[in-house]
Amino acid sequence: GAGVSQSPSNKVTEKGKDVELRCDPISGHTALYWYRQSLGQGLEFLIYFQGNSAPDKSGLPSDRFSAERTGGSVSTLTIQRTQQEDSAVYLCASSFTGSSGNTIYFGEGSWLTVV
Amino acid sequence: EDQVTQSPEALRLQEGESSSLNCSYTVSGLRGLFWYRQDPGKGPEFLFTLYSAGEEKEKERLKATLTKKESFLHITAPKPEDSATYLCAVPPDSGYALNFGKGTSLLVTP
Repeated sequence: GAGVSQSPSNKVTEKGKDVELRCDPISGHTALYWYRQSLGQGLEFLIYFQGNSAPDKSGLPSDRFSAERTGGSVSTLTIQRTQQEDSAVYLCASSFTGSSGNTIYFGEGSWLTVV
Repeated sequence: EDQVTQSPEALRLQEGESSSLNCSYTVSGLRGLFWYRQDPGKGPEFLFTLYSAGEEKEKERLKATLTKKESFLHITAPKPEDSATYLCAVPPDSGYALNFGKGTSLLVTP
């Protein structure tokens, strides 16, 4: 596609429910990243994929968070048993390769509100 | 330890009033410094990448410069449509994903 596509754009869920957020990267990009941005805060790195593998999961805040990538393309971020502190914008980004210095391009984000 | 620090946190300018935003970094081996613009409710939009001290890049009213310890984003004769949050980022000493500063929120009033 022309850009990074994320869905849903907005999600309101009840505390304790599971949510899935989807990311479709730019066609041909092998590297994919998930970030989180809370209100008034900076971008917090969550996980990095190279192809279908995740060599860096160091930013996942707890074992309630998981992500997978299939076919070297679409990725899904799953949050189990959501908590109010999970409310944030979840941003997906992709780059042509995972080499440092490569430009990463962001989607518009999925806004998650846990009530 | 924060690797990227941006200042000021917020900046209000009148239309046409030029200024500069600062981004300082502490990585030992710089492998690129990135500037992004983020509008409310949107994802960050890529502006520039700088790789070596002395490098400059321009786009419309924006010019980014790089030294060995910091980068500046100069805004010349800004317009209200330049209002946004400007983010800078660097790759960490080890790892893959960019580390972002907290951003400078710029408001340009008519």
